[in-house]
Amino acid sequence: QVQLQQSGTEVQKPGASVKVSCKAAGDTFTGHNIHWVRQARGQGLEWMGRINPNSGGTTYSQKFQGRVTMTRDSSIGTAYMELNTLTSDDTAVYFCARETFDFRSYFDSWGQGTLVTVSS
Amino acid sequence: DILMTQSPSSLSASVGDRVIITCRASQNIKNYVVWYQQQPGKAPKVLIHAASTLLSGVPSRFSGSGSGTDFTLTINSLQAEDFATYYCQHSYTTPYAFGQGTKLEIK
Repeated sequence: QVQLQQSGTEVQKPGASVKVSCKAAGDTFTGHNIHWVRQARGQGLEWMGRINPNSGGTTYSQKFQGRVTMTRDSSIGTAYMELNTLTSDDTAVYFCARETFDFRSYFDSWGQGTLVTVSS
Repeated sequence: DILMTQSPSSLSASVGDRVIITCRASQNIKNYVVWYQQQPGKAPKVLIHAASTLLSGVPSRFSGSGSGTDFTLTINSLQAEDFATYYCQHSYTTPYAFGQGTKLEIK
């Protein structure tokens, strides 16, 4: 089963940007969409968007459209999520997750999460 | 967008109890439902997909049912390690929304 390793904790100021990485190990990177999900402290899971590592095609939640960019570098098996114009409301743990398809889709592997804190 | 309404938001139960968590979709999503378990400080772990298919390695005390708009997760004979937060999610079409979560606590 693929393991997803995310980059470390980030502290950013309001108005800045953050870029989180998600490296796949132990399995092929291509062939499975990578999704990004965030979770504010004590809150639920929020779907942000996905990237197709083969084509680079992306689909974003309308909430983040215009502020999020998901990219990938297939040569090193890594996906990235960049979020711009940060506010304190963006303070959360950000997860990447691999989508697999077995009759229906589900997220079978998750990264360990990256805490992003937005504070002046 | 399809919304997932999960209930209850919290639940107190004892070891050995049977609990049921429900999830309602805002439109017909056939059986495109996934259930996750999340322990504090950890990433979610998939338990069930396609509404009722148990993932390999998940104990048989977990079961899922439903189709269309109404879905349930049932945990029989609760064990200590089952006290966690549970989320439903649909994978019918993007955005793949999650339910609000159910925190299962020890009574």
